[in-house]
Amino acid sequence: AQRVTQPEKLLSVFKGAPVELKCNYSYSGSPELFWYVQYSRQRLQLLLRHISRESIKGFTADLNKGETSFHLKKPFAQEEDSAMYYCALSGHGRGSTLGRLYFGRGTQLTVWP
Amino acid sequence: ETGVTQSPTHLIKTRGQQVTLRCSSQSGHNTVSWYQQALGQGPQFIFQYYREEENGRGNFPPRFSGLQFPNYSSELNVNALELDDSALYLCASSSLAGGPYEQYFGPGTRLTVT
Repeated sequence: AQRVTQPEKLLSVFKGAPVELKCNYSYSGSPELFWYVQYSRQRLQLLLRHISRESIKGFTADLNKGETSFHLKKPFAQEEDSAMYYCALSGHGRGSTLGRLYFGRGTQLTVWP
Repeated sequence: ETGVTQSPTHLIKTRGQQVTLRCSSQSGHNTVSWYQQALGQGPQFIFQYYREEENGRGNFPPRFSGLQFPNYSSELNVNALELDDSALYLCASSSLAGGPYEQYFGPGTRLTVT
């Protein structure tokens, strides 16, 4: 069964400190992994996806198939990074609904000045 | 480019009643997915509509139903409301041809069942 686990509900760091938001997944096929972000009073939006292998707002995420992880990292956190972050998975397998997302419960990141 | 819109913003209903939520997809998108987000949880997939047909369904009972219209807007209907249906309902649009994995979310409708 598909499952996305974000072990930390809350994460606090000081400005300039490194931050890592953890995400582990289980999926029997070949998944697409994403990070979505929701800033205060804004809608859920895509932050990055693993196949694009790009850095967005200084964030990167590497898919580790051996550890089934897709942790989100930023070397120097900024106050404007404070938001709710959701890890999500979408599948390719037979019977999958193209574009259907399985979300983790989210991690609320707070960056203190 | 017009983003995804949802109406109403908030809604209060009584147990046993029926509710209809509406979603207008982003311009150029032909696919709409609906998600339920309970407090403290991530969004859960309800179903997806593509070209006016249901194109996949999550683990929700039949009293959750939907429609998609020729202009790709969509409705989510919930019959016989239960207290556990209280949640934020999100609509997301995408283009299966252009890139199904980038879902554009609406602001959500907050449903409270009393």
